[in-house]
Amino acid sequence: EAQVTQNPRYLITVTGKKLTVTCSQNMNHEYMSWYRQDPGLGLRQIYYSMNVEVTDKGDVPEGYKVSRKEKRNFPLILESPSPNQTSLYFCASSYGTSGISEQFFGPGTRLTVL
Amino acid sequence: KNEVEQSPQNLTAQEGEFITINCSYSVGISALHWLQQHPGGGIVSLFMLSSGKKKHGRLIATINIQEKHSSLHITASHPRDSAVYICAVVRGGADGLTFGKGTHLIIQP
Repeated sequence: EAQVTQNPRYLITVTGKKLTVTCSQNMNHEYMSWYRQDPGLGLRQIYYSMNVEVTDKGDVPEGYKVSRKEKRNFPLILESPSPNQTSLYFCASSYGTSGISEQFFGPGTRLTVL
Repeated sequence: KNEVEQSPQNLTAQEGEFITINCSYSVGISALHWLQQHPGGGIVSLFMLSSGKKKHGRLIATINIQEKHSSLHITASHPRDSAVYICAVVRGGADGLTFGKGTHLIIQP
């Protein structure tokens, strides 16, 4: 089944404890992206990747890191999480090398930073 | 001012009504997406438009590039259409997406 998977789905952690949220797609997509969703603010793009080893900042990249060493994986790294990073996170992928193609979303990761 | 504005923010309608959700944007774009987010949280892509009109079942999406405006229409609405509908644009010359805050639609039986 064609899909985007994220792990973990739920995570409660404490301030400053490094964490990684994994994202993987099995559709051979070029473009992958991370978003966060917050009440009243909607979805905002954190980082995106047009291809292996090519990444760029979205609208809210502060406090996050990404890497794209393989086409199928695009992990989101929080080196020192803070409470303002409590949010619902979505990973997405698409065929093209930009946002100009249908986006396929993962199920979301709900992160709470205490 | 947000680059992408949706209206209305909330909409409650009766089953069978014709629904229109609007999206206006203030920047040049290369494409516009309409997404649907169900109460469980999952997000699915409904349409991607760069011009004209697209139709899928009871859903119709239109875009007017000159007026910087897009609409999503739902014909013969049904309670299962209850969801948050989100507009997102791809800014011209860029690769990222910028989102509207969504329209929360409730269709009552």
